[in-house]
Amino acid sequence: DAKTTQPNSMESNEEEPVHLPCNHSTISGTDYIHWYRQLPSQGPEYVIHGLTSNVNNRMASLAIAEDRKSSTLILHRATLRDAAVYYCIPGADTGNQFYFGTGTSLTVIP
Amino acid sequence: EPEVTQTPSHQVTQMGQEVILRCVPISNHLYFYWYRQILGQKVEFLVSFYNNEISEKSEIFDDQFSVERPDGSNFTLKIRSTKLEDSAMYFCASRAGGLSNQPQHFGDGTRLSIL
Repeated sequence: DAKTTQPNSMESNEEEPVHLPCNHSTISGTDYIHWYRQLPSQGPEYVIHGLTSNVNNRMASLAIAEDRKSSTLILHRATLRDAAVYYCIPGADTGNQFYFGTGTSLTVIP
Repeated sequence: EPEVTQTPSHQVTQMGQEVILRCVPISNHLYFYWYRQILGQKVEFLVSFYNNEISEKSEIFDDQFSVERPDGSNFTLKIRSTKLEDSAMYFCASRAGGLSNQPQHFGDGTRLSIL
């Protein structure tokens, strides 16, 4: 499985944008990059995914480097509800299971 | 929005007892998964299930574990003889298809406490 590297923790002020980076230098050419978050006492929640192009949805934006070895999840205006652990996960066809790393714990400061 | 539901939310069981954790995946999804998360640790893959059989399993998923989809809607995880180290959050997930671009949708988990 492709290994990922994320900062252990980050802080953001409420209403400010947040950029959460992830390195996935061993990702294969067909693996999509998935981002999930886990709020306290809840299951992982799907945020966004992409392959090569930048992606937007109602929750966030995903910027993928041209060489696909890194990506950045962008929360445009952090809210207190966005405080969670964020995981980037390369999704493989083979087996299809996800391998979670330790993720980035995001603290949002009011 | 359809969601994965898990019951019970919390299960307390004596060591050595059997336990069954239940999940109702999103209807029309074809791939099903169990993961676990020991307190303070990473989410770990246990098993994936497709077309009524196990497609992948991790080394954690030993002979004490089994899964089945008994009635076309429920997806269960059974632990035959629980151990203290089985205490964890167990998450069920489902996925519409098997390709890399398909997200998995997770339930909110069952907290299993072994005494």
